[in-house]
Amino acid sequence: QSVLTQPPSVSGAPGQRVSISCTGSSSNIGAGYDVHWYQQLPGIAPKLLIYGNSNRPSGVPDRFSGSKSGTSASLAITGLQAEDEADYYCQSYDSSLSGRLVFGGGTKLTVL
Amino acid sequence: QLQLQESGPGLVKPSETLSLTCTVSGGSISSSSYYWGWIRQPPGKGLEWIGSIYYSGSTYYNPSFKSRVTISVDTSKNQFSLKLSSVTAADTAVYYCARVKDYGGNYLYWYFDLWGRGTLVTVSS
Repeated sequence: QSVLTQPPSVSGAPGQRVSISCTGSSSNIGAGYDVHWYQQLPGIAPKLLIYGNSNRPSGVPDRFSGSKSGTSASLAITGLQAEDEADYYCQSYDSSLSGRLVFGGGTKLTVL
Repeated sequence: QLQLQESGPGLVKPSETLSLTCTVSGGSISSSSYYWGWIRQPPGKGLEWIGSIYYSGSTYYNPSFKSRVTISVDTSKNQFSLKLSSVTAADTAVYYCARVKDYGGNYLYWYFDLWGRGTLVTVSS
């Protein structure tokens, strides 16, 4: 059971917009800790997609955006492309159990 | 361009110690503002942070592993290593090493900005 909850799967047609949620609690996102997002293409190591809630590393298309509010964060992908089909993970800090970095359970994005 | 590469046995027997090394190339492991970490991913499952180390040797561990894990660094070889003791089948996973960006001065402000390709470690007799 992950500390950060993500939907197991989302889907969308090419060109559409999809959103992936990451729901936490008062010991992580709700406490103000930043959220980061990773994309994991099939069989490949994760890649940083969004850091500090809404910042894109160099080279990440602006079709990807992140936001945070209250105890949740969201990753939005606009202009969906076939190459976006991957698993997406959120990550934050959790102050329970003496403090640790935690990941969401992951969301599988299917491009229809 | 900085790269990370994991190495170590792909098969470990139950109750033994899993040992992996991450070699950093194309840059120095002694860079400020960066820690170095280990993350694992059981087959078909999500990511789990194991722990991280600074080049000075300062470490942070996931409390879930704290009694079994040791992470060390060898700056002369530009490497850092993971040891996980008393392994069981539940420790079977792809183990990734990663560079950890510290943007706030402590691990409340960490994210993983560069990853190795990962190595599968199977625990089986």
